[in-house]
Amino acid sequence: QKEVEQNSGPLSVPEGAIASLNCTYSDRGSQSFFWYRQYSGKSPELIMFIYSNGDKEDGRFTAQLNKASQYVSLLIRDSQPSDSATYLCAVLPMNSGGYQKVTFGIGTKLQVIP
Amino acid sequence: SAVISQKPSRDICQRGTSLTIQCQVDSQVTMMFWYRQQPGQSLTLIATANQGSEATYESGFVIDKFPISRPNLTFSTLTVSNMSPEDSSIYLCSVVFGTSSTDTQYFGPGTRLTVL
Repeated sequence: QKEVEQNSGPLSVPEGAIASLNCTYSDRGSQSFFWYRQYSGKSPELIMFIYSNGDKEDGRFTAQLNKASQYVSLLIRDSQPSDSATYLCAVLPMNSGGYQKVTFGIGTKLQVIP
Repeated sequence: SAVISQKPSRDICQRGTSLTIQCQVDSQVTMMFWYRQQPGQSLTLIATANQGSEATYESGFVIDKFPISRPNLTFSTLTVSNMSPEDSSIYLCSVVFGTSSTDTQYFGPGTRLTVL
C-alpha cells in the first residue's frame, strides 16, 4: 500500500467550476498535511497546509482534513485556466523523526478548460 | 520567503561521468533535502543534508552514488556519480526554516539532468 495516494488524473473541469482534489494516507498518526502546486517544468510551490480536522480556507482554496478517514482534500473554487497544474499532496508521518521528511503523493494533474 | 538557487539549471552529460549540483539559500535554514523527480513521477527523497556531518540517505540511495556536502547552513551540493541514462531526472533541493511540524518545505528551481 502506498503511503500517500492520489489519482494521477487528469482531472478536467470547466472554467468557473469547483475542482476537488483528493488524497488518502496510510499512517494514522500523521501530523501535518500539505498541498503543493507544480506547473509543468517548474518546482513545487506550497499552496497551504492543514493539521487539524475540518476545513481551512485561503482565498479560492479550501483544504479539508478527516483524520478518522485518513483523507485530505483540496477544493479550488472558481477554477481558472491558470490553475492548470499538478497538485501534490504531502504528508508528515508520525515517525518522521522531527526532520520534516514528508512523503509526497504522485500528484493529480488538473486541467481547467476555458 | 528566502531565495533558493540551484546550479546548473540543466545539463546534458555522458554516461560514466559525474555532475555536481549546487544549492544556495540566501538565509540560514534548519533542514536541507535533496529530491529526485523522474518523468511522470512524484518527488523521491534522496537524502537529508546534515550540516557538518554525513548526509542521511533514504532506502535505495547510497553515498558512493550520491555524495552530498553541506559545509554551512546556507549551501549544499549533490553529486551524481558514474551516471547512466537512468539518472536522467530533475534534481531538487528543498529547505525548511523551522522545527515545527507545520514548517513547510520550499523548493529550489531544480536541475534538469539528461544522461546520454
